[in-house]
Amino acid sequence: DQQVKQNSPSLSVQEGRISILNCDYTNSMFDYFLWYKKYPAEGPTFLISISSIKDKNEDGRFTVFLNKSAKHLSLHIVPSQPGDSAVYFCAARGVWGKLQFGAGTQVVVTP
Amino acid sequence: NAGVTQTPKFQVLKTGQSMTLQCAQDMNHNSMYWYRQDPGMGLRLIYYSASEGTTDKGEVPNGYNVSRLNKREFSLRLESAAPSQTSVYFCASSDQGRITGELFFGEGSRLTVL
Repeated sequence: DQQVKQNSPSLSVQEGRISILNCDYTNSMFDYFLWYKKYPAEGPTFLISISSIKDKNEDGRFTVFLNKSAKHLSLHIVPSQPGDSAVYFCAARGVWGKLQFGAGTQVVVTP
Repeated sequence: NAGVTQTPKFQVLKTGQSMTLQCAQDMNHNSMYWYRQDPGMGLRLIYYSASEGTTDKGEVPNGYNVSRLNKREFSLRLESAAPSQTSVYFCASSDQGRITGELFFGEGSRLTVL
């Protein structure tokens, strides 16, 4: 039973435009949400996180929004750059600090 | 600046063979994890070790065993490999003192079981 879902397996966006990645969750006990970025043949790397008590966190070109009532979070990348082409995983922290991951969204940034 | 190191990076096995994936971290983290990544499934937790001397099952532990050899090393063993265990395996570690609990991953080990 997947408690973290990324329903869009892929996203194509033009360079310079905004990328919006979405993530839904079912467990209201998650206390932190994280986004990871993964390039081919590499391990995932941490990108940005947000506490469940906040609704927005920003770090440079990356902003994560959390809507607790809807159990939904999104990652905005503005402006998108070619180096942003990667798989992005949404993750949520639950009991004992264990992370549960979504299936990932492949982002392709085109010139 | 090694971080999390996994070996081997690639392995091909025949059904029924056994093997061990090795993982070591040099960040003095207490917690270590083994995940598998499959298309459309994301990263699923196989086993984890909250601290040296302890191990616990994750979401998909069947067919695997683990050993937390010391604080640095956490190995994953397949006793009798099956084609369903074809996957990319990631080891990760975390510092439970960090408020976000973020994980630091190795580069992955691609395993094919024929």
